[in-house]
Parts: sequence; C-alpha cells; structure tokens
Amino acid sequence: DAKTTQPPSMDCAEGRAANLPCNHSTISGNEYVYWYRQIHSQGPQYIIHGLKNNETNEMASLIITEDRKSSTLILPHATLRDTAVYYCIVRVRAGGTSYGKLTFGQGTILTVHP
Amino acid sequence: DGGITQSPKYLFRKEGQNVTLSCEQNLNHDAMYWYRQDPGQGLRLIYYSQIVNDFQKGDIAEGYSVSREKKESFPLTVTSAQKNPTAFYLCASSIEQKANVLTFGAGSRLTVL
Repeated sequence: DAKTTQPPSMDCAEGRAANLPCNHSTISGNEYVYWYRQIHSQGPQYIIHGLKNNETNEMASLIITEDRKSSTLILPHATLRDTAVYYCIVRVRAGGTSYGKLTFGQGTILTVHP
Repeated sequence: DGGITQSPKYLFRKEGQNVTLSCEQNLNHDAMYWYRQDPGQGLRLIYYSQIVNDFQKGDIAEGYSVSREKKESFPLTVTSAQKNPTAFYLCASSIEQKANVLTFGAGSRLTVL
C-alpha cells in the first residue's frame, strides 16, 4: 500500500470549512483513497473514498489532484461534533488477500472550536 | 438497526488470565476483523475472517486467538501469552463488494491489573 502523510493536528472554527490534506505520492493506479474518522473513545467511521474523480456525499467532499499524489477532505460547515481524528488510507479495492485489511496511521487530530 | 455489538465495553483482568471479547454483527457482512489501538496510536490488525470457519493472522496476532463458527460472530480471546494486553479493541465488518468500507463497533477497553 502507498504511504500517506497527514499533518498531526489542525484547528477549525465552527461553521467554517475544514480542509484536511493527505499526501500519497507513491499511490498506484489501482489504489483508492479512503477517509475515516474516529471520535474519542469510539470506533472509526467511514466517510468517503475515491479513485481519481472528486466525490461528494452527505458527510464530506473528497478532492483528488490530477496526478493523484495528494487529496483533500473537505467538511463544508464544521461543527463541534466533527472534532475527531481523521485517517487517510490508500488501498487497492477488494479482491483476494487484500480483503479489507486497512492500515490506520496516526491521522490528523481536527479540533473544531466555537 | 443493523450494526456491530461489542461486549463488554470495559473489562479488567488479572495478569495470567485469558479473556474473551465478544463481537456480533447483524449486517449480513461476510468479513470480520479485530483491531487493537494503543493510546495516541493508529489501529493495528490482529485477525480477520473472510468466511465462516476460516480466519487469517493480521500484523500482531501473537497472544490472541479467534473463531468464526457463525457468520454473525467473531470472538477474540486475549491469552496470557499476550505481553501487553491493555488496549482498546475494535471489531469491524465489511461486504466483499465494498471490502474497504468497514463498519466498526464501539470497542472494548481491556485493562490488565
């Protein structure tokens, strides 16, 4: 799996957009970018994933650069409940022995303040 | 509502004792996983199972054992051979078509006294 690099921490004001970056310069053509978050003392929660096109769902938007070497997770209107650790993971999609075996690094601690 | 139930939420054990953590899912997911998380760290994969009666070691399987006798259940036993068992244990599941979209339980926090 490609290695990912995320800033250890970020701050965001409530109501503003939170933009969380992730570098994955060694990503392969068949690897997807996945984002999860973990609120303190809870299990991680899947947010979104993408291959090369920008993606949006009810939780967030994912912007992947054209060369696919980096991506940004966008929470358009951050709330206090969005305070969590955000993990960026690069992984080939399902198949064979790579079935769901995700590697969670240390992620980015996002603190949303009033 | 469908989901994953882990129990107990908190568990204390004495050194030398085995302890079993329960994980049950009603999502009809094929695959199930156990992860361990230490304070301030990411998650590390202990064991995973893609189908009933089959499971594979993850990155840190030593001192742990699992079984998968039913699709819904994937219990984890932390044995006395595990040197540093105090941790937060997370169970997850997924379907084959979306294998990297994991649904996690709320976790079990084990403390060895």
